[in-house]
Amino acid sequence: KAGVTQTPRYLIKTRGQQVTLSCSPISGHRSVSWYQQTPGQGLQFLFEYFSETQRNKGNFPGRFSGRQFSNSRSEMNVSTLELGDSALYLCASSPVGESVTDTQYFGPGTRLTVL
Amino acid sequence: ILNVEQSPQSLHVQEGDSTNFTCSFPSSNFYALHWYRWETAKSPEALFVMTLNGDEKKKGRISATLNTKEGYSYLYIKGSQPEDSATYLCAFCNYGQNFVFGPGTRLSVLP
Repeated sequence: KAGVTQTPRYLIKTRGQQVTLSCSPISGHRSVSWYQQTPGQGLQFLFEYFSETQRNKGNFPGRFSGRQFSNSRSEMNVSTLELGDSALYLCASSPVGESVTDTQYFGPGTRLTVL
Repeated sequence: ILNVEQSPQSLHVQEGDSTNFTCSFPSSNFYALHWYRWETAKSPEALFVMTLNGDEKKKGRISATLNTKEGYSYLYIKGSQPEDSATYLCAFCNYGQNFVFGPGTRLSVLP
């Protein structure tokens, strides 16, 4: 089985722009979670989608949003980028609905740099 | 704000040594604890998902224990090998079903 894929792998944007990141889960996985990793804050949970619905959300401002499509692929959008949004964005998929007890499979991440 | 701590922050051991590190988390509203290994330039890899107090899990030379009443989990590596060098992360999940990650323990195994 192919693993979790994320595109693009690297991205450079300027302040004020918006960005969309994509995540394709492992085939058959229905839950997709997004995480932000920064040197100062470590790995932080953004949100989780299951069956096209946002099920859980971390403590991030409304500039961070996401969606999930019927094929379980997910996108994350960040509007009005700030310098502090520079980070590695990881997505993870898990097979069934109970993601907190499921094993999560992580993608390689998208490295976003905001100038 | 939920706080998950890991100690030590970093660790250097010789090949063949056994080692262990700690993850501390809130003892209330516990739902699950995950351990991950994250090697440089790779994706985090799931090691264990633990849900029950007293749980012990093992995968090869790596094992973990869980104490939900006092809010800690230990990860043990027996006979460390250079390929064990990585950052080991724990993630606590409560009934609100949010993952809170610890800062990680960076392990370097010297040949």
